Amino acid sequence: SQTIHQWPATLVQPVGSPLSLECTVEGTSNPNLYWYRQAAGRGLQLLFYSVGIGQISSEVPQNLSASRPQDRQFILSSKKLLLSDSGFYLCAWSAGRVRGYNEQFFGPGTRLTVL
Amino acid sequence: SQQGEEDPQALSIQEGENATMNCSYKTSINNLQWYRQNSGRGLVHLILIRSNEREKHSGRLRVTLDTSKKSSSLLITASRAADTASYFCATSSGGSYIPTFGRGTSLIVHP
Repeated sequence: SQTIHQWPATLVQPVGSPLSLECTVEGTSNPNLYWYRQAAGRGLQLLFYSVGIGQISSEVPQNLSASRPQDRQFILSSKKLLLSDSGFYLCAWSAGRVRGYNEQFFGPGTRLTVL
Repeated sequence: SQQGEEDPQALSIQEGENATMNCSYKTSINNLQWYRQNSGRGLVHLILIRSNEREKHSGRLRVTLDTSKKSSSLLITASRAADTASYFCATSSGGSYIPTFGRGTSLIVHP
């Protein structure tokens, strides 16, 4: 069966510090991978998605970047964190790129607080 | 990109009652999905309903889709305290396979 891991679970970082959040998927190959941010009491904002190694699409201009160095690894980074980067970050994967088969499977999330 | 909007934003019921949440959207969709999120956790996929389907069931969950009204509903029958969570609808349309999520309905089931 497929599993998705995210770490760390929680993170408190000072403004201006770097960030690296990691997500890995097991039990599937060539997944689509996604990074979302969720503000308190809000919906999900898609930040990045990837359909393959080294292929990253950015949905919104921001202080963050993403990389996919391996098929089942997705990394969210920042060189200098802003207060507005605080939030709940979720990684997800989906199996197909056919429109009718696009269920997403989410990791447990990382709670990031920037002080 | 279009976004489904859930209604109500918050719902509070007693255990054993039914809970109904609605999702409205603006343009034609390929499919609509419902997800659940327990507090501080990731989302869990519940049901996917395609644009040519009108109703789907999964255990105590019943999802309907009315494409003429551009709306969907999620019914949870005989609710339990463990159903307490936020529920999101997500729509996919056009050539995109990436669903767009609404802001969710917060459901509280009192024991």
